[in-house]
Amino acid sequence: DARVTQTPRHKVTEMGQEVTMRCQPILGHNTVFWYRQTMMQGLELLAYFRNRAPLDDSGMPKDRFSAEMPDATLATLKIQPSEPRDSAVYFCASGGQGVLSGNQPQHFGDGTRLSIL
Amino acid sequence: KQEVTQIPAALSVPEGENLVLNCSFTDSAIYNLQWFRQDPGKGLTSLLLIQSSQREQTSGRLNASLDKSSGRSTLYIAASQPGDSATYLCAAWGTQGGSEKLVFGKGTKLTVNP
Repeated sequence: DARVTQTPRHKVTEMGQEVTMRCQPILGHNTVFWYRQTMMQGLELLAYFRNRAPLDDSGMPKDRFSAEMPDATLATLKIQPSEPRDSAVYFCASGGQGVLSGNQPQHFGDGTRLSIL
Repeated sequence: KQEVTQIPAALSVPEGENLVLNCSFTDSAIYNLQWFRQDPGKGLTSLLLIQSSQREQTSGRLNASLDKSSGRSTLYIAASQPGDSATYLCAAWGTQGGSEKLVFGKGTKLTVNP
């Protein structure tokens, strides 16, 4: 059963440190999404890529966050410098050709639980 | 701006009961409405996707309906089981600020008691 894989599952670090989260989308999926989930805000879209090109990153604080897809099997989300308010669960999701037209669902990983002290 | 609301935030029912979860959205110009399940410490699992041209979708004991004109969707769970306990999220897929986005509600936490 194909799954989206995220690493690490948990990360605790001190304020000011760089954090890198990784995502391996389902093989063959060409669209990758990054979300952040907090109790207060719920699930929010940060950015997404299609065929490794960024399509939208309007939900991402650009002064400290960056998202890339070095290749089709790896997406990364970096925070530098990290702040306590970045503490959240970060999810990656992927989808096939029909996901942007609304014909297919997104498939989610189990998330990275990030705590910034 | 699309806003998705789910009421109630939490629901507790005895095993075997049929139940309905509600979802409302403010912008009816959506491509689809999706229902997800989230278990504690896990990601989201897609349950049902209703295209904007459809009225309902069914999968096993789950039935989701969509009424775009009123901005509402419901998820019906028949003969609930303790294994159905989870948080259920609905999400509307549409265009926001020039690009496609999935906007989520905050979920309904369902507890099915044996």
